[in-house]
Amino acid sequence: GQNIDQPTEMTATEGAIVQINCTYQTSGFNGLFWYQQHAGEAPTFLSYNVLDGLEEKGRFSSFLSRSKGYSYLLLKELQMKDSASYLCAVRDRFSGGYNKLIFGAGTRLAVHP
Amino acid sequence: DTGVSQDPRHKITKRGQNVTFRCDPISEHNRLYWYRQTLGQGPEFLTYFQNEAQLEKSRLLSDRFSAERPKGSFSTLEIQRTEQGDSAMYLCASPLRGHPARSNTGELFFGEGSRLTVL
Repeated sequence: GQNIDQPTEMTATEGAIVQINCTYQTSGFNGLFWYQQHAGEAPTFLSYNVLDGLEEKGRFSSFLSRSKGYSYLLLKELQMKDSASYLCAVRDRFSGGYNKLIFGAGTRLAVHP
Repeated sequence: DTGVSQDPRHKITKRGQNVTFRCDPISEHNRLYWYRQTLGQGPEFLTYFQNEAQLEKSRLLSDRFSAERPKGSFSTLEIQRTEQGDSAMYLCASPLRGHPARSNTGELFFGEGSRLTVL
């Protein structure tokens, strides 16, 4: 089966940098995704990693280490609108359906002025 | 807007009643996924379709739950004899169409969800 762990809550200050960690265990790793979800809204795709290293997309970056079963999402120049839940999800090649994702419980980020 | 539409957006029902949710994905997506999300948790996989065929069901999907995708386009999720524990957001998701070997990362696009409250 799969197991995904991420911190429940984090707080940060506007303009700062925050790193949200995710560790996972899966039998057939085939990609890791980060999603953002504002309260009451649907999750929206942020980033994808399948090879080791850093993927940068504007203010957001995501890192993956497959050997350690570890990823992080880095948010720079935080804005108030970044207050949301951040969901780490993995895709497992042995778990039916190329697009099936298994999600962690999410990290609720609160950005303060 | 992901182009995945869900209806109704909100449903309040009494315990024991049946409810049905509908999902209309972007027409060219051949796969369709259903997830359930409770407060403070991430989405949990329920089931998925490849065209009209239901290829996998989670253990979360008890015999009170049934999903269909009759023509390989829209899908319905029915819950019979609802229980208070069924209260959740039911999310439908659709991926980009395309062979995995191309630039498609395979991310899922979620609809706005159908929020169920069972009294």
